[in-house]
Amino acid sequence: RKEVEQDPGPFNVPEGATVAFNCTYSNSASQSFFWYRQDCRKEPKLLMSVYSSGNEDGRFTAQLNRASQYISLLIRDSKLSDSATYLCVVNINNDMRFGAGTRLTVKP
Amino acid sequence: EAQVTQNPRYLITVTGKKLTVTCSQNMNHEYMSWYRQDPGLGLRQIYYSMNVEVTDKGDVPEGYKVSRKEKRNFPLILESPSPNQTSLYFCASSPVPPGYREQYFGPGTRLTVT
Repeated sequence: RKEVEQDPGPFNVPEGATVAFNCTYSNSASQSFFWYRQDCRKEPKLLMSVYSSGNEDGRFTAQLNRASQYISLLIRDSKLSDSATYLCVVNINNDMRFGAGTRLTVKP
Repeated sequence: EAQVTQNPRYLITVTGKKLTVTCSQNMNHEYMSWYRQDPGLGLRQIYYSMNVEVTDKGDVPEGYKVSRKEKRNFPLILESPSPNQTSLYFCASSPVPPGYREQYFGPGTRLTVT
């Protein structure tokens, strides 16, 4: 079993749609969690950290469920510019474990 | 502009021909690391460095070497490249170990070994 698992997608949604991604992790000792965004053939960039209480940044909401060992990312009112691959990242003692990513395409 | 740079961006080479991929950051970050990214797999850490002259193996260090003689530079060395090292490589830096801080990634180096 992979340490960090994501549905690879692709998710194809129309502009304005709400879309949610989940990510599961296997190590219960995981300490911190992130979502990174990666545009095609480019470097990953931090989208948001994920806090235990859940957090929101504009149209993006991240949640953590430690009991079930998953994190989620919700994107509301999708824009064309949201098209990218979203990487789930889990930290275990400064050892960063990356999921393979979920690909999102937002269409007009 | 704060950034991480890598060179070359693209490289095609032959099996066994030594090569070096350079990485440099201008943010005075202590922590630097190298990752490779392959289809269907997440980024996997090759080596990391907590500070000058301090390096350690990541998950997939076989076939790679690194050095950290200066804070800003962290080159990746392939002494005898093989086709299974064909991959997309990213260098990253952060002010402290990345567990609770953002990592800044370079633009990537696409390596093909024939």
